Amino acid sequence: DQQVKQNSPSLSVQEGRISILNCDYTNSMFDYFLWYKKYPAEGPTFLISISSIKDKNEDGRFTVFLNKSAKHLSLHIVPSQPGDSAVYFCAASKDTGNQFYFGTGTSLTVIP
Amino acid sequence: DTEVTQTPKHLVMGMTNKKSLKCEQHMGHRAMYWYKQKAKKPPELMFVYSYEKLSINESVPSRFSPECPNSSLLNLHLHALQPEDSALYLCASSQMDRVYEKLFFGSGTQLSVL
Repeated sequence: DQQVKQNSPSLSVQEGRISILNCDYTNSMFDYFLWYKKYPAEGPTFLISISSIKDKNEDGRFTVFLNKSAKHLSLHIVPSQPGDSAVYFCAASKDTGNQFYFGTGTSLTVIP
Repeated sequence: DTEVTQTPKHLVMGMTNKKSLKCEQHMGHRAMYWYKQKAKKPPELMFVYSYEKLSINESVPSRFSPECPNSSLLNLHLHALQPEDSALYLCASSQMDRVYEKLFFGSGTQLSVL
């Protein structure tokens, strides 16, 4: 049972434009959400996170938005750069638990 | 030091071989994880060690045997694997007893079983 879903397997965006990656979850007990970026044959690297007490968190070009009522989060990348081309996974966890539930990933291609 | 180091980076083994994957972190993290990832799929949790004790085993076949010799090291012993076990094996770590944990991943071991 996939508790975290990323319904878009791939996304292509022109360099300089905004990339929006979406993630939905089903478990209302999740209260912490993370985005990871992954290049082929490498481990995922942490990008940005948000706790359920916030609805927005920003770090440079990356902003994550959380809509708890819709059980939806999104990652905005502005402006998109070719080096952002990678697979992006969203993940969710519950308070101090050490289990993380990953979405299926969205492959982002930024076209120069 | 915010690194999780995994060795080897690549491993090719036959179905009768015995091999081990190694993972090391020096961030003082007390939780360590093994994940398996196939192409175009999310990381799939295999094992979690908390304070050097196995706390989660996601019904992994016994041909995979984890070991945590101390708080910095994590091994995964492999024996009699099948070709379908070919995947990227990721080690990760996190602090324990803290709200809003982050996972720190190593770069993985790309395993091919022939």
